[in-house]
Order: sequence, then structure tokens, then C-alpha cells
Amino acid sequence: KAGVTQTPRYLIKTRGQQVTLSCSPISGHRSVSWYQQTPGQGLQFLFEYFSETQRNKGNFPGRFSGRQFSNSRSEMNVSTLELGDSALYLCASSVGQSKRPETQYFGPGTRLLVL
Amino acid sequence: KNEVEQSPQNLTAQEGEFITINCSYSVGISALHWLQQHPGGGIVSLFMLSSGKKKHGRLIATINIQEKHSSLHITASHPRDSAVYICAVGGHYGGSQGNLIFGKGTKLSVKP
Repeated sequence: KAGVTQTPRYLIKTRGQQVTLSCSPISGHRSVSWYQQTPGQGLQFLFEYFSETQRNKGNFPGRFSGRQFSNSRSEMNVSTLELGDSALYLCASSVGQSKRPETQYFGPGTRLLVL
Repeated sequence: KNEVEQSPQNLTAQEGEFITINCSYSVGISALHWLQQHPGGGIVSLFMLSSGKKKHGRLIATINIQEKHSSLHITASHPRDSAVYICAVGGHYGGSQGNLIFGKGTKLSVKP
């Protein structure tokens, strides 16, 4: 099976712009989670989607949003970019059985630089 | 206080040494994950533990649910083991598995 893919891999934007990142999960996986990684804060949970519904949301401002499509692909959007949004954005997929422990499979990440 | 604490933050070892990385957590969980991140950013899942012990090659992971503590051991360390090792917990507060809380990571450097 192909692994989790993320596009684009690298992105440079300027303050005030918006950006959309894409994540394609492993075939058959219905849960997609998004994480932000910065040198200062480490890895932080953004949101989790399952069957096109947001199942959980982390403590991020409303500028961060996401969605999931019927084929389980997910996108996240950041509007009105700030310098502090520069980070590595990772997505992870799993089968999605909510209460059962599951291995999370991570994508390679999208490195976003905001100038 | 962070809900997931790892120690040490940095670790330098000589090739062949036995290495231990520790992780303590303060919330109820249903699973603990050990992850490996190489320069460039990609994260690989090494282990997922709910209880006991797991072994894969030279890597061993243990968890003590009562003490809320887990350890990752690397036997006969090799320079290719150099990476950041991250502990993460899922299912906390009875929630879903895709909402992970992460430790700050342990940066391991193995010298030849």
C-alpha cells in the first residue's frame, strides 16, 4: 500500500496570505489527524477528521480550519498567515476505530515558511 | 507542567552502547506511542503500547500503566539510530486515538 502523502512539500507565503495543505491517507484509512511542529512548541494537535466529520479540535485559533472529503483525503487551511505559523505541518492517518488503540501513520509533512 | 515528559532531552552515546529513553505522563491513556523522527521531518511509528513490553529488532519498549511510565531501550546502538525519539499518548480523557499529546522529544546522537 502507498503511504500517507502530503502536498505540497514546501511552501513560502507572505503574512496575510492564506494557504491550503493536502493530505491523502493510506487506502482504507478513514481517520486523518493534523499536527503542527515548531522548534518552540514541539508537536501540537490541530484537528482530527473521521468520515468527513471533525472529531476533535486542538487549541488553535479559528484561522486554522480543515475538512475531509468522501474519499478520506483531507485539507487544512490557514487564513491570514502570521510569521508564527511557520512550521512543519504533519498529517497522520489510521483506520479510525475511535476507542481502540491504533498505530498512526505519518506523512512526510509540508514545511511552511511565512515571510 | 507538560502532560507528557521525556528524559533526557539530549543523549550522546558511543556505538554499541545500551540506551534508555524515559517517558512519564500524567493523564489516563489507552495507548502510548514511540515515534522516530529523522532530520528532514518524516515521522515513523516504532511502537504502540497499551501494556507490557514489545520488541522489534534492537528496540524494546515497556510501559507501566500504574506508574504512568514508559521506556524505550536501544541495544547495541548504531550511528543510524541517531534521530529524535518522541513519546506520544492517545485516548486520553477517554477520547479518540487520533488526538495525540507529545513529549518534547529526545535527540539521540550515536558516535562511531
